[in-house]
Amino acid sequence: NAGVTQTPKFRILKIGQSMTLQCTQDMNHNYMYWYRQDPGMGLKLIYYSVGAGITDKGEVPNGYNVSRSTTEDFPLRLELAAPSQTSVYFCAASVGRGGVDTQYFGPGTRLTVL
Amino acid sequence: AQSVSQHNHHVILSEAASLELGCNYSYGGTVNLFWYVQYPGQHLQLLLKYFSGDPLVKGIKGFEAEFIKSKFSFNLRKPSVQWSDTAEYFCAVSPYTGTASKLTFGTGTRLQVTL
Repeated sequence: NAGVTQTPKFRILKIGQSMTLQCTQDMNHNYMYWYRQDPGMGLKLIYYSVGAGITDKGEVPNGYNVSRSTTEDFPLRLELAAPSQTSVYFCAASVGRGGVDTQYFGPGTRLTVL
Repeated sequence: AQSVSQHNHHVILSEAASLELGCNYSYGGTVNLFWYVQYPGQHLQLLLKYFSGDPLVKGIKGFEAEFIKSKFSFNLRKPSVQWSDTAEYFCAVSPYTGTASKLTFGTGTRLQVTL
């Protein structure tokens, strides 16, 4: 049981390039989330999903897209990378019992945009 | 929208010293409260959580936190820290809305424990 896994661990992009950050969970959890963590800041929610085919925006969705075709996978897409997207990205999953729920995090992807 | 404040940005303690990290939140309704820890180079791990019931909750590695509703606070405590507690600690809150538990995090407190 690996929990939440993320690939890649590190990536350097040039301005304007695109990439997909992968997130997979093997806990059969319904809810999944993407956060970004900037230096000296807490995590901010980018997008979340309450089940396959259902996604919604979080606090900082601009510049990102997501899809959820299966319970296990929740990829995050950056279409036109910008320096402001330099950050550490964390994926999380939770069972989904409304407000009484605990999120479990992946190891993160450190992205640098130059 | 809810917000979370962690007043201590960087705390340096000697081993065996007692620890208290402050966390205050703003939200008018029922909330769930969490403390997460991030050890150097690792991902976030759940330290403890409060959903309801006894306001004094115990977590892993000897940590505990007390929810004081009247003060909107959820401070983290440990009687005697160890060098291995060196990490960043995040307080987080989610409103009890019946839907996805969207967490709002504080900016974190970096704890450095010296030998």
